[in-house]
Amino acid sequence: AQSVTQLGSHVSVSEGALVLLRCNYSSSVPPYLFWYVQYPNQGLQLLLKYTSAATLVKGINGFEAEFKKSETSFHLTKPSAHMSDAAEYFCAATDTGGFKTIFGAGTRLFVKA
Amino acid sequence: EAQVTQNPRYLITVTGKKLTVTCSQNMNHEYMSWYRQDPGLGLRQIYYSMNVEVTDKGDVPEGYKVSRKEKRNFPLILESPSPNQTSLYFCASSSPTGGVETQYFGPGTRLLVL
Repeated sequence: AQSVTQLGSHVSVSEGALVLLRCNYSSSVPPYLFWYVQYPNQGLQLLLKYTSAATLVKGINGFEAEFKKSETSFHLTKPSAHMSDAAEYFCAATDTGGFKTIFGAGTRLFVKA
Repeated sequence: EAQVTQNPRYLITVTGKKLTVTCSQNMNHEYMSWYRQDPGLGLRQIYYSMNVEVTDKGDVPEGYKVSRKEKRNFPLILESPSPNQTSLYFCASSSPTGGVETQYFGPGTRLLVL
């Protein structure tokens, strides 16, 4: 069965520092992979998605993620954190049919001034 | 404006009292899904629907029912709510034809079962 693991339930960075949020998936067949962001009291918003095209995926708000099949990873990065990036981030994987979706437990990002 | 709406946004009920949470989308999407979000567990899929009259179980379907009689609506029904169904619920929709498309999420419904 597919699973998605996000390393670190909480990550804290200083404003201007690199953001790195880790996501690993388990599957014999690379699924479709997503990163979502959730701001307080809001629904989820898509940051970026991998659908077997380019392995380096660029998303909104300066975020990007790299799909590494050998490491079964899809880590999210941003070169320079802004205060507005403080939120909870979810990694998700869907099966090849695109219907069943598995989410990671989430990582809450704190940005220090 | 393209959106997914959920009602109610907040609900307090008692054990055993049937309730329905409505979900509606105005994007003509074929695919709709319900999730529950619990601290430390992320989002878990309850049910999904590939189109009208076509539904299937997600990972945590016990205690829930759904129906898809119209394309735009996908209500979540709790026939006999229990305290372990206290959670934050999200509805989502997408149009997967031609590939895996983005899911659009509603604002969430916070449910407390006493």
